Amino acid sequence: AQSVTQPDARVTVSEGASLQLRCKYSSSVTPYLFWYVQYPRQGLQLLLKYYSGDPVVQGVNGFEAEFSKSNSSFHLRKASVHWSDSAVYFCAVSINNNRIFFGDGTQLVVKP
Amino acid sequence: NSKVIQTPRYLVKGQGQKAKMRCIPEKGHPVVFWYQQNKNNEFKFLINFQNQEVLQQIDMTEKRFSAECPSNSPCSLEIQSSEAGDSALYLCASSPPTGNTEVFFGKGTRLTVV
Repeated sequence: AQSVTQPDARVTVSEGASLQLRCKYSSSVTPYLFWYVQYPRQGLQLLLKYYSGDPVVQGVNGFEAEFSKSNSSFHLRKASVHWSDSAVYFCAVSINNNRIFFGDGTQLVVKP
Repeated sequence: NSKVIQTPRYLVKGQGQKAKMRCIPEKGHPVVFWYQQNKNNEFKFLINFQNQEVLQQIDMTEKRFSAECPSNSPCSLEIQSSEAGDSALYLCASSPPTGNTEVFFGKGTRLTVV
């Protein structure tokens, strides 16, 4: 079975600072990997996804993530955060689109 | 941007009442998922369909929930007899046929059971 761990429930950074949100996964095979963002009172929006190939994938709004098979990780990064990036970020995995398994989310707070 | 449409956005029901919510998947997406997100942001997979057929569902869904995705009509999720613990955000998602893992979510229906 697949599982996802986001070890940081809440991350606070200053506007303009760099960001890394951590994600570790467990799966018997290399899964499809996703990062979603959820703004207050909204659904989930896909930031980026990884299937195969270049382990660094680019997403929307300047986000990128790096897949590491050896570390079973898929950390999300951004060089310079904006106050509007404040939201909850979910890492997720899937095998052949049958089900998506989500982490518990990381609340990102961007201080002005 | 996702084109999955969920209605209503907010739903308030008394305990024991039926609660029904609907989802229109993106055009051309035969696979539909329902998830429950509780106040702690935890996701629970409920059921998924490919076209009108159920692919997987959890035990809870079999017993108190009913869901369908009829052809040419919105998909629906109905709780037969609402309980306080059912208060949550119900998210519908759709995707192209299995093998392509683009999954798009709607904005959800927030159910409050009073």
